[in-house]
Amino acid sequence: KAGVTQTPRYLIKTRGQQVTLSCSPISGHRSVSWYQQTPGQGLQFLFEYFSETQRNKGNFPGRFSGRQFSNSRSEMNVSTLELGDSALYLCASSHSPGPRGGYGYTFGSGTRLTVV
Amino acid sequence: ELKVEQNPLFLSMQEGKNYTIYCNYSTTSDRLYWYRQDPGKSLESLFVLLSNGAVKQEGRLMASLDTKARLSTLHITAAVHDLSATYFCASPNTGNQFYFGTGTSLTVIP
Repeated sequence: KAGVTQTPRYLIKTRGQQVTLSCSPISGHRSVSWYQQTPGQGLQFLFEYFSETQRNKGNFPGRFSGRQFSNSRSEMNVSTLELGDSALYLCASSHSPGPRGGYGYTFGSGTRLTVV
Repeated sequence: ELKVEQNPLFLSMQEGKNYTIYCNYSTTSDRLYWYRQDPGKSLESLFVLLSNGAVKQEGRLMASLDTKARLSTLHITAAVHDLSATYFCASPNTGNQFYFGTGTSLTVIP
């Protein structure tokens, strides 16, 4: 059974550019969440999608956006990149919205974004 | 906003010793999750604790949950080098948002 797949694994971008990250959940999982991990702030929730609808959004500026497609694949976009956006971006999938489905999340390997 | 605190943040222990990592959370929740992260890697699910008094064990790790005290513990028995990693606890709020602890970086010394 394939796990959560994130692409690309590594990315280097220049300040001011925009970036799109992709996440394919485990087959049958309809909920996808995104997290940002940095040494200073730890793991922070970005947003959650279920059945193509954003259900929750964390405290991030509007430069961070996402969407989910009918096949449950999700993308997140960051526009006008800043140095502080350098982080590991993790995608997680679950059967039902949020981790309260009882099984928690399964995380992908992440995309390491470096902004220079 | 739900707050999740772990301690210690850093833990260096000798092989064969026992230790406990503590996870406190600030609001009522009936479930708690533990994850492991190796350097540069993703999060691996360790335990899902779904009710007060839940206890789960896997190998040298045992996790428990006390929802009344808003406390979960991860106990390490007879540590081995392979357990060196960062351990996170996480609690969901009523809005299905997952809040992670700060993580405990564990180093097991031969």
